[in-house]
Order: sequence, then structure tokens, then C-alpha cells
Amino acid sequence: GESVGLHLPTLSVQEGDNSIINCAYSNSASDYFIWYKQESGKGPQFIIDIRSNMDKRQGQRVTVLLNKTVKHLSLQIAATQPGDSAVYFCAVMNSGGYQKVTFGIGTKLQVIP
Amino acid sequence: DSGVTQTPKHLITATGQRVTLRCSPRSGDLSVYWYQQSLDQGLQFLIQYYNGEERAKGNILERFSAQQFPDLHSELNLSSLELGDSALYFCASSAFGLSGANVLTFGAGSRLTVL
Repeated sequence: GESVGLHLPTLSVQEGDNSIINCAYSNSASDYFIWYKQESGKGPQFIIDIRSNMDKRQGQRVTVLLNKTVKHLSLQIAATQPGDSAVYFCAVMNSGGYQKVTFGIGTKLQVIP
Repeated sequence: DSGVTQTPKHLITATGQRVTLRCSPRSGDLSVYWYQQSLDQGLQFLIQYYNGEERAKGNILERFSAQQFPDLHSELNLSSLELGDSALYFCASSAFGLSGANVLTFGAGSRLTVL
């Protein structure tokens, strides 16, 4: 759902382990989902996207899973590296007359060397 | 470099003042979005423009206003500034405002500090 100004939850992961970052959305009409990565002092950057007609999509070291039944999205990062330390946001979009983009609250990923 | 240019990068001003933040979208993108990000918080959607027209409004205060010009650059005006307005303000652009994939490309942000 849309960010409501809460402080970011933090996920700490050992270097080399897999990371799973979760996102719940509320609008069942949402049909396009994107994960963004925001490094300290920078703007969010696109990582991977998925449409509602898919339940899984893989990129380089990242996998996005979509469960429309429970309105849940997850980002899996394999073999987490120190450079993966960042805040990760999911974004949800509804097609229509115009596309409104709603960002989740974000999760801060800390990689422990 | 994402292709989205925001100026200024940093701005320090006093309460009660007015500032203008500027955004040049990526070449070819027609939509511009403005977001506010306070310290360690998420992205709060402020407003969206598509080809010069306002398309969506989020949690934008009445003290704030924006516009998109014919050359597609956008300005966010913040007036009667309060301490709580201190934040990072991001502009993002996208190619599609009406349909299709809508990946946002973000600028580096403008950091506003109100003293």
C-alpha cells in the first residue's frame, strides 16, 4: 500500500545468504508491480518488474514472486552482497485512464560482512 | 546519470520562505511525478503531470504547487516553509502516462533543509 510515513523496517542479512523482502498491497485491481532499490543519497532505481498475469520473474540474482490471492509480492536476492545494502521499495500500478504509482513503505536491507 | 535532472541538489532556507525545485525529465518522457521523502521514511506521492496537464494528486499540501511547462520540465513550488518540510524531494519521469508499462526513472533529488 502507499507509504504512510512510518519508519522503515530493517532486514539484516549475512553476506552470501539469500534475502527476502516482502510487500503487501491492498488493491486487487493492481496489475503491474515494480521493485526499486534506493542507495544512500540517491534516487530509487528500477530493479525488476512483473505483471499480474505472471507469478514469478527472474533477473540477475533477483526473483520477484507475486501471489495475487493474498495480494503479496516478494523480492528475493540470491547470495546477498554488501553492495545490495539499500532501501527497497515495491511500487504498485493500476492500468486505466492514467497510471497512478503507489509506493510501499520500503525495507532497509543491511548486509553484514 | 538517470537522465532526470533536478536542481538544486541542496537548499537551505528559513521558515516562512518560498523555494522552487526544478526537474527536467528524461528525453522523450511525458510524465513527471513529484515525491517527498523525509528522513528514513518512504516515498510520499505529491503530484503527477502528463504532457502539461495535472493527472493525479497525492498528499500535497495547499502551500505546495507544481506545474509542467510546454518543454516538459516541471517546477515544484513550496511556500510558507515549515521545519517539517525539510526532506528530500524527488522528481521522476516516465514515458507512459496513459497506458502500458510505467517504469519511473528518478532524479537524484533535491535536499531541502528548513531552519
